[in-house]
Amino acid sequence: GEDVEQSLFLSVREGDSSVINCTYTDSSSTYLYWYKQEPGAGLQLLTYIFSNMDMKQDQRLTVLLNKKDKHLSLRIADTQTGDSAIYFCAETSGTYKYIFGTGTRLKVLA
Amino acid sequence: EAGVTQFPSHSVIEKGQTVTLRCDPISGHDNLYWYRRVMGKEIKFLLHFVKESKQDESGMPNNRFLAERTGGTYSTLKVQPAELEDSGVYFCASSYLQGSSYNSPLHFGNGTRLTVT
Repeated sequence: GEDVEQSLFLSVREGDSSVINCTYTDSSSTYLYWYKQEPGAGLQLLTYIFSNMDMKQDQRLTVLLNKKDKHLSLRIADTQTGDSAIYFCAETSGTYKYIFGTGTRLKVLA
Repeated sequence: EAGVTQFPSHSVIEKGQTVTLRCDPISGHDNLYWYRRVMGKEIKFLLHFVKESKQDESGMPNNRFLAERTGGTYSTLKVQPAELEDSGVYFCASSYLQGSSYNSPLHFGNGTRLTVT
């Protein structure tokens, strides 16, 4: 079945860039999302990319998609302590059945 | 607009007891979904309602789980009897369109953290 994999932890210093990686197996993936979960909060949609795009930039966030390698990354520029959270990658072929990764816990050190 | 709301935020029950989780979707969203994250693993789909009808319950783990959406508004998810492996975070989501699209992603609630002891 479809699978999405992410590394579990990432630690960066405040002001540095963070890069969170995700790989997926479903070749029919159409939409790929990044969600953020802060402690005690729900899943906040951060950004998304359509499968026919290679890159999307939204303020401090840059999403890169390598469809050939089925690799998605989220780069956060000038990482702040408020960026500390769990980041989930999710993909769908257009249905409501999102396939999520296990989440990457980002810790930002002051 | 108000987001997806879930109640309670936390629930601690003993094995064998019953728990009912509630979800209020965004007003006007006919599509409502339940997902759960168990023991720090990936978030997995449980089921999908369109209004009051269950469209897809392929992700429901077993018959101890019962979801309802009477009247097509809020939904409840009952676990009876609860087992230890049911512990996790249960997320509800809603959307205007059925399925996902570029401009209509799923909107998730804050989740209910269920602990079965």
